[in-house]
This record gives sequence, structure tokens and C-alpha cells, in this order.
Amino acid sequence: EPEVTQTPSHQVTQMGQEVILRCVPISNHLYFYWYRQILGQKVEFLVSFYNNEISEKSEIFDDQFSVERPDGSNFTLKIRSTKLEDSAMYFCASSATSAPGELFFGEGSRLTVL
Amino acid sequence: AQSVAQPEDQVNVAEGNPLTVKCTYSVSGNPYLFWYVQYPNRGLQFLLKYITGDNLVKGSYGFEAEFNKSQTSFHLKKPSALVSDSALYFCAVREDQAGTALIFGKGTTLSVSS
Repeated sequence: EPEVTQTPSHQVTQMGQEVILRCVPISNHLYFYWYRQILGQKVEFLVSFYNNEISEKSEIFDDQFSVERPDGSNFTLKIRSTKLEDSAMYFCASSATSAPGELFFGEGSRLTVL
Repeated sequence: AQSVAQPEDQVNVAEGNPLTVKCTYSVSGNPYLFWYVQYPNRGLQFLLKYITGDNLVKGSYGFEAEFNKSQTSFHLKKPSALVSDSALYFCAVREDQAGTALIFGKGTTLSVSS
């Protein structure tokens, strides 16, 4: 069964360092998303991406965040200068269409900022 | 703005008993409603959705949910709980005409005892 894969599963970084989280969405999907879940809190929408550009973003997704699809298979989230409050589980998701169907989620990348 | 409320942090039920996990939503237009489940150290898995039509929708693993427009609710139910249903459950909403991203509630931990 096709699945969304994410790497790394866990990354520890120092405050102020740049982090790149990687995702490989399901191959025929066209819409891509990043969500995050701070420990014990709700799953929060960060950004959606379609046709090589951001289609929606939340207030959380400020200038410190960026996304790109560099090679037609990977979908990356970059945090330019990490802060302590960026520590969270980051989930990538993809969907085949813009119709209101399910999103397929990866297993997440846990980011710990020290 | 879209929002979802899950009023219970935790629901405890004995195996074989019926279970209900509550969800209410707030949107300006028509809602698309979803339930996802998260097992430990895993990503979110789709359970079921309401788009239009019958207010009672059936999903994976014997779960069902009832859309109630007047009460703006979409409670998740199962007639007979299993220990293996123990997990974290998320309700999510997407408003028609408001993009493709899902907005999640904070999650409810379901604990089924044997």
C-alpha cells in the first residue's frame, strides 16, 4: 500500500540552527501539507502546497519557514533559525485531489530544539 | 474562521460497551468533517468523513459518526469497544470554499479496559 514517508524520524538541534525535514508523498498525489503537533497539544496546520507553490499557510508559518519540492518526489520543510518553541512532531501529508477527501499522513519527524 | 472542539481530553470505557467521542465545530459555510486516529508513534490514519448526504456515516474498524447540523456536532461512535481501539482520536473540519487544509481538534484519548 502506498504511504507517505518522512525523514528523519527524530532530530535534535541547537537553537538558531537550520533544520530541513523531508517527506516523500504518495507518488500520484498533487497536494502536499505540513502540520505540527507540540507535545500534548492539537495538530496545527502549517502550509499547503500545490503546483509548485504555496496555496495556503497559517499564522505559524512565518518567514522562518519555507517549503519546496526540489525534485518532483521530495517535499521539504525548512526552518531557518530554530527556536525552542519549534520543538514538535512535524507531519507531512498528501492528497490526490482538492476534493474533500482524506489526507494521507506520514509517521512524523520529531524535532527537539535545545 | 474554522474551528473544532473536542471537549474531553480522555474517554474511558470497558471492552464491549458502546463508546462516544465528542466533537463540535464552527464554520461559516458548509462543513466537511473527518475523524482520524493516531496510535503511539504513528501518523494519523483516516477513519471516516462526512461530505454530504446521510447524516450517519460509517467508517473503518466499525466506527461511525453522526452529523448534526443544528448542534454543529460530529460525534464518533462505536457500538462495542475493543481494547485495540485505545488510541488518540482527532476530529477535523474543512469548510467548503475555504481551501483544502483540514483544521484539527486537540484530540481525545480513548482508553478501553478489558
